[in-house]
Amino acid sequence: DADVTQTPRNRITKTGKRIMLECSQTKGHDRMYWYRQDPGLGLRLIYYSFDVKDINKGEISDGYSVSRQAQAKFSLSLESAIPNQTALYFCATSDHRIVPYNEQFFGPGTRLTVL
Amino acid sequence: AQSVAQPEDQVNVAEGNPLTVKCTYSVSGNPYLFWYVQYPNRGLQFLLKYITGDNLVKGSYGFEAEFNKSQTSFHLKKPSALVSDSALYFCAVRGYNNDMRFGAGTRLTVKP
Repeated sequence: DADVTQTPRNRITKTGKRIMLECSQTKGHDRMYWYRQDPGLGLRLIYYSFDVKDINKGEISDGYSVSRQAQAKFSLSLESAIPNQTALYFCATSDHRIVPYNEQFFGPGTRLTVL
Repeated sequence: AQSVAQPEDQVNVAEGNPLTVKCTYSVSGNPYLFWYVQYPNRGLQFLLKYITGDNLVKGSYGFEAEFNKSQTSFHLKKPSALVSDSALYFCAVRGYNNDMRFGAGTRLTVKP
C-alpha cells in the first residue's frame, strides 16, 4: 500500500550495530504497528502504538525499541543487532477512531540481514 | 489467548478449480477474523473480515470466507482459481489489545 512507506527497503548490517527502520503513513490512522516475518512463523508483533503517547510491547519486543515521533511516523530500532534478528519487517496502520475492528494496512517491508 | 492455526503449509490447485485455504481459531469471546494475502516482495493486503452478521463474507478479488462457529473455522474460498491467485495467505484474529494475531501462512499455488 503506497500510503504506508518504509525505509530502507533492504539493509545489511553487522552484529552489534545500531539500526533504525522508519515508517511513515499518509492515511491519517491513529494506530501503528511493527511486525517481523520469519518463514513458517507468520507475522509476530514487536511493538504497537495507539497514539503518540501510547506505546506498548508486543509478543517479541526484547532487543527492540520504538519511537512515535508524530502520528504519521513510527520508527523501530535495534540497539545492538544480532543475527537472529535477520527477518522481514513490516509496519502497519489501522484506524480505530470510528470503527473499532478495522483491518490493518501494511507497508512494503524492510528486509534486514544481520551478519 | 487469541490464536489462529492454518493446518496446511501448501495448497496446490489447478486453474479453474475451486480453492479452499483452511483456518481454525481459538478465542475467548467473539472472534474478529481476517484474511490477508502476500504477493512476492510485497506487504500484506487485506482480503476480507468477519466481525458479526452473515457467516459468508465476501471480499476482494472474488474471494469469500465461511465462518463456522461450531467448527471454529474461517476457511477462505474461491469458486474458480486463477494463476494470479498464487501467493501466501494469512489468517488472523484480533487480539486482546486490538493487535492482529497471524497464522503461519499457507502458500497457494495455482497451476495452469
